[in-house]
Amino acid sequence: DIQMTQSPSTLSASVGDRVTITCRASQSINRWLAWYQQKPGKAPKLLIYKASSLENGVPSRFSGSASGTEFTLTVSSLQPDDFATYYCQQYNSYSLTFGQGTKVEIK
Amino acid sequence: EVQLLESGGGLVQPGGSLRLSCAASGFIFSSYAMNWVRQAPGKGLEWVSAISNGGGSTYYADSVKGRFTISRDNSKNTLSLQMNSLRAEDTAVYYCAKDREMGATKYFDLWGRGTLVIVSS
Repeated sequence: DIQMTQSPSTLSASVGDRVTITCRASQSINRWLAWYQQKPGKAPKLLIYKASSLENGVPSRFSGSASGTEFTLTVSSLQPDDFATYYCQQYNSYSLTFGQGTKVEIK
Repeated sequence: EVQLLESGGGLVQPGGSLRLSCAASGFIFSSYAMNWVRQAPGKGLEWVSAISNGGGSTYYADSVKGRFTISRDNSKNTLSLQMNSLRAEDTAVYYCAKDREMGATKYFDLWGRGTLVIVSS
């Protein structure tokens, strides 16, 4: 199975900060990577697919990028609604795998 | 309204069985591959299983292969997960999730609220 290593596991930030979360794949997944946001007690929400395509209705402050097997989710200016846990997911092949998650906390 | 609604969770003893269901509405169910994703309490997301739009192809995580069976009834817009030989480590919230695009794109734009399965004696 393809392993997805996500970092950091926790991130403390303030409203207005630029934050970056990284996900590294154990082998090439081309650009077949998605990012999700999850809030406590809720289902995940799709933010980004194909590494950098923004899902409909997702604010433009969210962006994704890729370089080889390293993928990045960036929030350009953190808003109060953005404090949540973020997961990457590779979909290059079954078995699908998620990163272990990054919790974005209020500093 | 476009939605997925899971049911069937509950408390079951180790070694027991449980069948989860997911009722879909608001989209052409038969056009999309469907999935089960679980989340153990306080832990991350784990993909469990997928089924093609017509039901002819199924896929499983190694952790559940041989114990869980995914199926669908396109005439009733329903997805199911039959879980046998349950273990304590299967305790989780189980989410039903829809592929974003037709053709088994394998990432998910619609999720249910989840149903909690607890495996304990």
